[in-house]
Amino acid sequence: GAGVSQSPSNKVTEKGKDVELRCDPISGHTALYWYRQSLGQGLEFLIYFQGNSAPDKSGLPSDRFSAERTGGSVSTLTIQRTQQEDSAVYLCASSFSTQNYGYTFGSGTRLTVV
Amino acid sequence: DAKTTQPTSMDCAEGRAANLPCNHSTISGNEYVYWYRQIHSQGPQYIIHGLKNNETNEMASLIITEDRKSSTLILPHATLRDTAVSYCIVRVVARNTGNQFYFGTGTSLTVIP
Repeated sequence: GAGVSQSPSNKVTEKGKDVELRCDPISGHTALYWYRQSLGQGLEFLIYFQGNSAPDKSGLPSDRFSAERTGGSVSTLTIQRTQQEDSAVYLCASSFSTQNYGYTFGSGTRLTVV
Repeated sequence: DAKTTQPTSMDCAEGRAANLPCNHSTISGNEYVYWYRQIHSQGPQYIIHGLKNNETNEMASLIITEDRKSSTLILPHATLRDTAVSYCIVRVVARNTGNQFYFGTGTSLTVIP
């Protein structure tokens, strides 16, 4: 597609359950990022994938969070044993690898843990 | 570490120029300055970016000081649709790992009719 696609757009889950969030980047973009945005807050970096290199996981808040990117394209962010503080909008972005390009965000997945 | 500081909020009269400042005093020579804006409940949208020289596109102008420690985003004729949170971010040179985009808290711009 023309843009970054994220699914689902909304997810309500019970505390303690696992959730998977999906991101389809723009075709040809080798870099993919996950961010989290809590209500009224700025964007918090979570993880970054660049081609086949090992991802930069330095922003993941706990070991309940993990992400993978299969075939250098689609990425899945998994949150295990969700907690109420995990409620946020999870944003995915992709870009070309070089410095001179900005990146394009998806519309995000709004996660609500009840 | 956001690496940028911005005023929390600003108002601007419709039709006037909106000047949004950003401080990035610890910026390195190879780090770009990007501006994004976010309208409520949408993903951030790219506005403009630059390294050293001033830049202009159809949306805005970016003025970067000679020492590169601060910049100003200029929306030349603010409209009600420009009411949004604008983020000034510093992008580290792309590497295989360790690349992070430092988002600050952003400036909430309100365009007043």
